[in-house]
Amino acid sequence: QKEVEQNSGPLSVPEGAIASLNCTYSDRGSQSFFWYRQYSGKSPELIMFIYSNGDKEDGRFTAQLNKASQYVSLLIRDSQPSDSATYLCALRKRGSTLGRLYFGRGTQLTVWP
Amino acid sequence: DAGITQSPRHKVTETGTPVTLRCHQTENHRYMYWYRQDPGHGLRLIHYSYGVKDTDKGEVSDGYSVSRSKTEDFLLTLESATSSQTSVYFCAISESGRDNEQFFGPGTRLTVL
Repeated sequence: QKEVEQNSGPLSVPEGAIASLNCTYSDRGSQSFFWYRQYSGKSPELIMFIYSNGDKEDGRFTAQLNKASQYVSLLIRDSQPSDSATYLCALRKRGSTLGRLYFGRGTQLTVWP
Repeated sequence: DAGITQSPRHKVTETGTPVTLRCHQTENHRYMYWYRQDPGHGLRLIHYSYGVKDTDKGEVSDGYSVSRSKTEDFLLTLESATSSQTSVYFCAISESGRDNEQFFGPGTRLTVL
């Protein structure tokens, strides 16, 4: 079983809608969670990270973490065509002092005007 | 790209030849990582370094070696390139192995014929 599972999509939403991206993980010892955005042909760029259960908001982005259910999600409000990209979920396990991250395969998001 | 450069950005080589990719950072971060990204597999860790001359293997290290003689440089070597090593290679850096997020370089597209 992969450490991190994501629906590969593609997920398609209209401009202005809320895009919901989900990620589940297998190791309950996972401690920190990261969302990266990757445009086609570009490198991943960090959007948000979350460590504690609950919601964390940054502008139009909200990360949600539920450790009991072992899932983390990213909500994008007022989606824009410029949000069209692949979104990567990553996690760091408890006790990992070397910063090793485990990545999901990514979910492709398309926002149509 | 957070003061990270990779060279070369593109390379085409033939099976059996040695190839070295370079990652250079100006952030003085202690931790450096090499990933490969392939369709259907996402980002997979090849090797990582937690200090000068301190390196360790990731999940797909076979056929690769690394060296780090200076804080700012992390080299990835394919001793004898194979077609299965055709991929996009990303370097990443992190200030701390504990809670700090990773930042990615622009990537190197390698084609092995």
